Amino acid sequence: DAKTTQPNSMESNEEEPVHLPCNHSTISGTDYIHWYRQLPSQGPEYVIHGLTSNVNNRMASLAIAEDRKSSTLILHRATLRDAAVYYCILREYMNYGGSQGNLIFGKGTKLSVKP
Amino acid sequence: DARVTQTPRHKVTEMGQEVTMRCQPILGHNTVFWYRQTMMQGLELLAYFRNRAPLDDSGMPKDRFSAEMPDATLATLKIQPSEPRDSAVYFCASGLGQGKRNEQFFGPGTRLTVL
Repeated sequence: DAKTTQPNSMESNEEEPVHLPCNHSTISGTDYIHWYRQLPSQGPEYVIHGLTSNVNNRMASLAIAEDRKSSTLILHRATLRDAAVYYCILREYMNYGGSQGNLIFGKGTKLSVKP
Repeated sequence: DARVTQTPRHKVTEMGQEVTMRCQPILGHNTVFWYRQTMMQGLELLAYFRNRAPLDDSGMPKDRFSAEMPDATLATLKIQPSEPRDSAVYFCASGLGQGKRNEQFFGPGTRLTVL
């Protein structure tokens, strides 16, 4: 799986938007971009994923660069509960079996949210 | 509210003792993963199963670790003999193993301390 690069840490103020960047310059055409987050003392949880187009769900938005070499996870209004480590992960989509490669976690970005 | 459950949540043991960690995947999920998380190495995939068959255990030290799925509702990870360097949080995750989202659902983890 191609590698991703994320800042080690970021800070945000409560109720403000947060943009978490991820670089993946060696992404291949069959790689999906997944984001997971890990709240303190919990297991990781799925946030969002995408391929080429921007994606929105109830948790966040994912903005993908046109060349797909970078992406940004957007939390529209950060809350204290959003303080977590956010992982950007590339997963190869395998047409055979219709599944993706396993999750390979990097160090992620530790997001702190100030009240 | 379907969740992955893990027992025990905490385990303190002495070097040389056998440790068994248990995981109950979400009903209907056919893929089960074991991860280990430490401060130094982050989250690492140890092994995973599909339809109860081991598919990949290359991340697991074979001499002391073993993973099994006696039935579809139980996965076990055993360490014998345990060593201080095995101290970590062990996460189990389950999923359907297919589709572009292919989400993995993580349990709360077992925090293992080997003295």
